Amino acid sequence: GQSLEQPSEVTAVEGAIVQINCTYQTSGFYGLSWYQQHDGGAPTFLSYNALDGLEETGRFSSFLSRSDSYGYLLLQELQMKDSASYFCAVRDEARNTPLVFGKGTRLSVIA
Amino acid sequence: DVKVTQSSRYLVKRTGEKVFLECVQDMDHENMFWYRQDPGLGLRLIYFSYDVKMKEKGDIPEGYSVSREKKERFSLILESASTNQTSMYLCASSLMERTYEQYFGPGTRLTVT
Repeated sequence: GQSLEQPSEVTAVEGAIVQINCTYQTSGFYGLSWYQQHDGGAPTFLSYNALDGLEETGRFSSFLSRSDSYGYLLLQELQMKDSASYFCAVRDEARNTPLVFGKGTRLSVIA
Repeated sequence: DVKVTQSSRYLVKRTGEKVFLECVQDMDHENMFWYRQDPGLGLRLIYFSYDVKMKEKGDIPEGYSVSREKKERFSLILESASTNQTSMYLCASSLMERTYEQYFGPGTRLTVT
């Protein structure tokens, strides 16, 4: 079967660094995507990792370890506007579906 | 900028009604997707399409059908709406080889009473 696990909620202080973890079990694996969704808004694509290692895009970075079936999203210099839900998503080859999403992590940034 | 639009932001229908949700994208994307989003359950794929007149079932297709007559338009149909189909419905699109990078519409919040 397939499963993605990510924490349901995370709280962090403005200006700090936060890491949102995602572990997955899939029959086939192509890569790990991350999406951000503000309350009342649409999910927006943040990053994609197909290979092991860290990808950096401004204040956001995403990491993948294929051998550990694990990835994380790292947010630095947190701002209040980063308060949102963050979803990891994988493509499960055996299920022939484009993407399977985790249930999301709600990040609250506090002053 | 990719733009994905959905026909309604809010919709209220009665049990048993036939419901049409429309989605249009303007970036010539091959792939289009319909999801429903419920609290605590994340995004679940209902149907997707890789090309005009093609459709594939996602994880929860029961009670839904889709239509893709034109490349830019993907419709979700609830043949006979039920209260358990009350949800947020999100449409998305992507390039053929980049299913990992999907662009979402604003969503339609459907309430079935």
